[in-house]
Amino acid sequence: GEDVEQSLFLSVREGDSSVINCTYTDSSSTYLYWYKQEPGAGLQLLTYIFSNMDMKQDQRLTVLLNKKDKHLSLRIADTQTGDSAIYFCAETWMDSSYKLIFGSGTRLLVRP
Amino acid sequence: KAGVTQTPRYLIKTRGQQVTLSCSPISGHRSVSWYQQTPGQGLQFLFEYFSETQRNKGNFPGRFSGRQFSNSRSEMNVSTLELGDSALYLCASSLPGSHNEQFFGPGTRLTVL
Repeated sequence: GEDVEQSLFLSVREGDSSVINCTYTDSSSTYLYWYKQEPGAGLQLLTYIFSNMDMKQDQRLTVLLNKKDKHLSLRIADTQTGDSAIYFCAETWMDSSYKLIFGSGTRLLVRP
Repeated sequence: KAGVTQTPRYLIKTRGQQVTLSCSPISGHRSVSWYQQTPGQGLQFLFEYFSETQRNKGNFPGRFSGRQFSNSRSEMNVSTLELGDSALYLCASSLPGSHNEQFFGPGTRLTVL
């Protein structure tokens, strides 16, 4: 089935690390993505991970994938006020062309 | 390289009317996908086009349709608008073999009165 779940809200202090979590139900997912959406804007692709990987690091971003638990997380190190946005995880499958299944989004608020 | 562009950015229509939204993908991208974003339903896949052919379709009524032109530009049309069609409509383009990375445009905000 197609279902991606995220917690709705996260508040952190500037300079701390943020961890945004996501669970998905379909083990046939091939790629998993993290997108960022700022107010009034479209979606910005932050990073992605292939389903046979456990971890991917890209500057301040670390993605962890636990396939057994179908759990994906995004860690943002040294969170800045400019990181305040809604973060969406999404999955897609090789046999579904470019159809993305999105979670409901996590609103990250970074307090000065 | 220019990003994905969508026109118009904002649109106000009344119930029963029809609307056409346009999307120009990143140069060289041949796949265009459309998504609807609402506060209640979140981001939902509408359809995807590749080389002028619809390859995939989401669970939306037949009032929602689309097409793609030979230059990869795409349009989506919604007929007989309903209040519930008010949403942000996002278009994304993708390059084949690019890990399915999709690059999104800024969206068209449609309000149905």
